[in-house]
Amino acid sequence: GAVVSQHPSRVICKSGTSVKIECRSLDFQATTMFWYRQFPKKSLMLMATSNEGSKATYEQGVEKDKFLINHASLTLSTLTVTSAHPEDSSFYICSARGGSGRSGANVLTFGAGSRLTVL
Amino acid sequence: GENVEQHPSTLSVQEGDSAVIKCTYSDSASNYFPWYKQELGKRPQLIIDIRSNVGEKKDQRIAVTLNKTAKHFSLHITETQPEDSAVYFCAPQGWTSYGKLTFGQGTILTVHP
Repeated sequence: GAVVSQHPSRVICKSGTSVKIECRSLDFQATTMFWYRQFPKKSLMLMATSNEGSKATYEQGVEKDKFLINHASLTLSTLTVTSAHPEDSSFYICSARGGSGRSGANVLTFGAGSRLTVL
Repeated sequence: GENVEQHPSTLSVQEGDSAVIKCTYSDSASNYFPWYKQELGKRPQLIIDIRSNVGEKKDQRIAVTLNKTAKHFSLHITETQPEDSAVYFCAPQGWTSYGKLTFGQGTILTVHP
């Protein structure tokens, strides 16, 4: 089945530093990847949609200069949290769309998530 | 965009009882209706889905029913077990935006042994 690898699974950083999270599709080409953020006991909120070779589309209220998304290849998308602050501490999850499911439709697969703690 | 309401926010049942979670959406163009299960600190897992040309789908102890006219769909879990305890999310969407999920608020299901 389709597998998406996301790392790091956990990261702790100091306020003001930048953190990069990687999302890789291991056995399929991901035409589109999505980035979500989830605060404790809350739902997942879509941050942005990234397509290979083009600029990401950000959801309303998400700062594109703070959350840099790069989708350089059909198997890799990265999210960089720049100048991180404690309020950026959250669970970040990627998902990738691509391949073919049993019904022939595109498969949607989630990464395992990255827990970011900013001190 | 899609407006999604999910109820109840918490649900506590005894092992063996049934659980029902309802999801109401606003976009009449939605035609794909999945339910996800998320355990603490883990990724969401697709547990069942239904398309708009079908009214009900069942997979062992779980089922999903769809009322497209009223714009709501429900998750039904029968013979609940403690391992069903998790947070459940609905995420209705249209095929043109497949994968771009607007999740419901989530329902914390607790199954007591």
